[in-house]
Amino acid sequence: AQSVTQLGSHVSVSEGALVLLRCNYSSSVPPYLFWYVQYPNQGLQLLLKYTSAATLVKGINGFEAEFKKSETSFHLTKPSAHMSDAAEYFCAVSGTNSGGYQKVTFGTGTKLQVIP
Amino acid sequence: NAGVTQTPKFQVLKTGQSMTLQCAQDMNHNSMYWYRQDPGMGLRLIYYSASEGTTDKGEVPNGYNVSRLNKREFSLRLESAAPSQTSVYFCASSDGQGYTQYFGPGTRLTVL
Repeated sequence: AQSVTQLGSHVSVSEGALVLLRCNYSSSVPPYLFWYVQYPNQGLQLLLKYTSAATLVKGINGFEAEFKKSETSFHLTKPSAHMSDAAEYFCAVSGTNSGGYQKVTFGTGTKLQVIP
Repeated sequence: NAGVTQTPKFQVLKTGQSMTLQCAQDMNHNSMYWYRQDPGMGLRLIYYSASEGTTDKGEVPNGYNVSRLNKREFSLRLESAAPSQTSVYFCASSDGQGYTQYFGPGTRLTVL
């Protein structure tokens, strides 16, 4: 069974400060890992995706995430927070189940607040 | 190219009423999904359709039914709405290549 744990349901950072959102996963097979962002009253948009090609993955809007197999982690970072980064961020893990279905499991989300 | 569209955007129902949420995608994706989002619980899968003509239950299927009308459209029906079904509902689709899911804008449903 696969699962995702996001540490911290709310994170506050000052504008210009480092953003670090934590995600740990559990998967019995090599996983695909994702970060999605949800702006208020909108659907989820893909930020970045890990598919085993490279452990450091760069996404949109200056975000990146590093896959660390030994720590089963996939933390999201951005060097300098911008006011427009305020949103909810979801980590997700996916793999194929026994029925051939692409099962995606989402974390419970982390709301990022950026303080001016 | 509209991506994934959902109708309606908002809906208020009384307990016991029925309604159908519509979803369509124009990306020629095989797989489609219905999720509900509740505060502090992330997204929970209600039903999915791996391909046209097939549907399967997800984590929280009770009280819902689905229809994969064709490759483009996947509807979610509430036969007898209950207050516990107050939520934001998202439809998504994926192409089977890399598992990336593409989401619609959501339907905000309130059951009184």
